[in-house]
Amino acid sequence: NAGVTQTPKFQVLKTGQSMTLQCAQDMNHNSMYWYRQDPGMGLRLIYYSASEGTTDKGEVPNGYNVSRLNKREFSLRLESAAPSQTSVYFCASSLRGTAQPQHFGDGTRLSIL
Amino acid sequence: DAKTTQPNSMESNEEEPVHLPCNHSTISGTDYIHWYRQLPSQGPEYVIHGLTSNVNNRMASLAIAEDRKSSTLILHRATLRDAAVYYCILRRPGRSQGNLIFGKGTKLSVKP
Repeated sequence: NAGVTQTPKFQVLKTGQSMTLQCAQDMNHNSMYWYRQDPGMGLRLIYYSASEGTTDKGEVPNGYNVSRLNKREFSLRLESAAPSQTSVYFCASSLRGTAQPQHFGDGTRLSIL
Repeated sequence: DAKTTQPNSMESNEEEPVHLPCNHSTISGTDYIHWYRQLPSQGPEYVIHGLTSNVNNRMASLAIAEDRKSSTLILHRATLRDAAVYYCILRRPGRSQGNLIFGKGTKLSVKP
C-alpha cells in the first residue's frame, strides 16, 4: 500500500535555485495539502487543494506555487529558493470533508544554502 | 478553532497501558476530536477520532468525557514503536481550509 508518495526525500539547493516537490496519492482522495515543519514547531499549511482543479492558499504561501495536475498528483514549486524555506515538507491527502482523517507522506527534507 | 492543552511529555514502560490526556474546554458541539502521532523522521500518522462516544480501533482507544471538555487516548500495551509525539486536534466540519492545526503535542517515551 503506497498511500502518499513524496519525491525527492532529500534535496540541497543554493539560494535562488528553483525546484518542484512531487506528491502522489493512490487512495482516490479528493483533497490534498502541502505543509512545512520547522524544528520544534507543528506543521503549517502552505497550500491545499480541496478537489481536482482547485487550489487555495494556506497559512504560509509566500514563495511557493502549486499545481493540482490531476486527482492523484499535487506538486509544490519553489521559484527562487531562500534559506528561510529550509524545512521538512509534508504532503497529505484526505477524502472531502474537514472531519476526514489526513494521510501523510514521509516528507521531503529541503536545505537551502 | 478551539484550543487543546496536552502535557509536554510522558513516560511509559513497555507493555503497560498509556493514557494520554487532552483538555479542550472551549470545544464546540460540532468539533471532532482527532489524534495523530509523529514518529521520529516520519510524517504524522492518523490514530483515531471521535465526536461524542468512545471509539476503538486496532491502534488505540479514545475516551471522551461526557461534557466533551477533555479526552484521553489509550494505548493498551505500549511498545517501543509507540514512542512518538502525540497530537490532539479539534476539527470542525465546514471549515473552508480543512487543514490540521498542530500544537506542540505530548512526547511519549517508552522504556524497555
